[in-house]
Amino acid sequence: GAVVSQHPSRVICKSGTSVKIECRSLDFQATTMFWYRQFPKQSLMLMATSNEGSKATYEQGVEKDKFLINHASLTLSTLTVTSAHPEDSSFYICSARAGGISTEAFFGQGTRLTVV
Amino acid sequence: AQKVTQAQTEISVVEKEDVTLDCVYETRDTTYYLFWYKQPPSGELVFLIRRNSFDEQNEISGRYSWNFQKSTSSFNFTITASQVVDSAVYFCALSVLASGGSYIPTFGRGTSLIVHP
Repeated sequence: GAVVSQHPSRVICKSGTSVKIECRSLDFQATTMFWYRQFPKQSLMLMATSNEGSKATYEQGVEKDKFLINHASLTLSTLTVTSAHPEDSSFYICSARAGGISTEAFFGQGTRLTVV
Repeated sequence: AQKVTQAQTEISVVEKEDVTLDCVYETRDTTYYLFWYKQPPSGELVFLIRRNSFDEQNEISGRYSWNFQKSTSSFNFTITASQVVDSAVYFCALSVLASGGSYIPTFGRGTSLIVHP
């Protein structure tokens, strides 16, 4: 299957700093990418959907100024957690769809963010 | 609105037992996709299967099998002769066409499967 690479896999940052997480589709062009957040022992909650070259669509309750999403190319999307706080600590997972509305989304390995 | 219910929070079995993970979904859309994903302790999501709403044929892949029944809105997953390596959290997901033109998956809460040796 298609490969989605997410980097870094783990990051620890100080409260108040910003952290960028990258999501790359390695062997296909991802017209749509999704960002999810997963709390311990919980399901994946969709944060936003981004299409290449356009602004991301955020789910209700997700602060777009805090979670900046950029999908500048067909192989790269980034999620920047700005002014991180301990409550932002979570597991963030991206997924990418190769194109065509019926194809499954492939998931990255996830990023464990810890804000201290 | 779409909803996926995985009523079993945690299942514990002994190796070689068969186990079925339940998934019930709700949607008003006639075209939709159902998925199962495996999330091992390392965290990455592993795609297992996709089924579209017009294909009710059950599927078997090795020790894995899936039973899709539209009449009961269920898409259950059975592991035959479970192994310790099957221990993971399994997510069922439903994907429908959103207003923006993308199929966006909604995930169930997941079922944690623990297989004891």
